[in-house]
Amino acid sequence: AQTVTQSQPEMSVQEAETVTLSCTYDTSENNYYLFWYKQPPSRQMILVIRQEAYKQQNATENRFSVNFQKAAKSFSLKISDSQLGDTAMYFCAFMKLSTGNQFYFGTGTSLTVIP
Amino acid sequence: NAGVTQTPKFRILKIGQSMTLQCAQDMNHNYMYWYRQDPGMGLKLIYYSVGAGITDKGEVPNGYNVSRSTTEDFPLRLELAAPSQTSVYFCASSRMGQGAQPQHFGDGTRLSIL
Repeated sequence: AQTVTQSQPEMSVQEAETVTLSCTYDTSENNYYLFWYKQPPSRQMILVIRQEAYKQQNATENRFSVNFQKAAKSFSLKISDSQLGDTAMYFCAFMKLSTGNQFYFGTGTSLTVIP
Repeated sequence: NAGVTQTPKFRILKIGQSMTLQCAQDMNHNYMYWYRQDPGMGLKLIYYSVGAGITDKGEVPNGYNVSRSTTEDFPLRLELAAPSQTSVYFCASSRMGQGAQPQHFGDGTRLSIL
């Protein structure tokens, strides 16, 4: 079974500063994918960034980047130049490559950007 | 650009009632999913479907049923609603294929069982 752990229930960061959200996972699979989703108060689930496990290069999307450590089974999200609109719940998700490509979600980190 | 559409957005049910949560996607995605999100928790998979006529159980299927008669629609049925089913329900869809195919989510249905 796959498990995803987000050990930081809540975090805060000053506007324009950088923050890192942690995620670890447990799996016996070798080929899989990892995602970060953002859920603002509007409740929408918005894709932030994705990473293929077979790629050593860390994914980057504008102000968002990841630190993927496959051996340690760690997948942290770094948000640079934090903005008020980044205030949201952030969920780490593991996708097992299989029929149906099931996702397994962590319990989330609530991030507040302080003006 | 409708994407994934869920109806209704809110609903209050009495214990023992039944209802169907509707989900439709217009992206021609093969895969569709139903999740529930309890307060302070992540999403847990209830059921999923890899195509019309094919459904399978996820992590928490008890008390729910699904059907997939078309590619576009994936309704979730609650029979004999119980307070433990009070939650926010999300429908999602994704493209079949290799690579990091993300799931696209609807806006959710907040369901309260009283």
